[in-house]
Amino acid sequence: AQKITQTQPGMFVQEKEAVTLDCTYDTSDPSYGLFWYKQPSSGEMIFLIYQGSYDQQNATEGRYSLNFQKARKSANLVISASQLGDSAMYFCAMREAPTNYGGSQGNLIFGKGTKLSVKP
Amino acid sequence: DARVTQTPRHKVTEMGQEVTMRCQPILGHNTVFWYRQTMMQGLELLAYFRNRAPLDDSGMPKDRFSAEMPDATLATLKIQPSEPRDSAVYFCASGFAYEDTQYFGPGTRLTVL
Repeated sequence: AQKITQTQPGMFVQEKEAVTLDCTYDTSDPSYGLFWYKQPSSGEMIFLIYQGSYDQQNATEGRYSLNFQKARKSANLVISASQLGDSAMYFCAMREAPTNYGGSQGNLIFGKGTKLSVKP
Repeated sequence: DARVTQTPRHKVTEMGQEVTMRCQPILGHNTVFWYRQTMMQGLELLAYFRNRAPLDDSGMPKDRFSAEMPDATLATLKIQPSEPRDSAVYFCASGFAYEDTQYFGPGTRLTVL
């Protein structure tokens, strides 16, 4: 079963506008973490923001904020005031707590990504 | 500015050749992950080390892939023999314990002809 779903293969946004990238997840573990990474055309994976399952407030990092709706199992990334340099692939990822029965080892499970293009 | 480093950045080889990829985790990090990225499969875990001990390598084809951490500053991923289907970008990521954010290296883009 797919654990991380990003339903938007590609999105366009006008420079200086805000954009929301969708991410839904599936887990029965009460303890988990949610991450967003940016992958520009150069190929590197850049960590953007983290949200823990027990965090009471939505995470924010500069122009990035994470709209965490636990009951809906969604963790959407909001980028405010888009810039041309924001054009990239964006990956949502989840980390479940390690288990002793051979399940998660704390590794990240990634969605398929959303390609964001910022128009001047 | 601490970063994960990976060498080589690009590798083109012929089918059947041995390929070795190297990763230097961020100093002080005790967890190292190897991921592979392809268009078809996306990002998937190959192997995971904690305190240099391999904890999970179930994502690797055992007959041709091997991962080691000879010391705390070096992780290696070997493919022998390589096949065209191994063409992908291989990322190393490190963190401090599993709870920490994983920071990725720049990746090694492997092309097997």
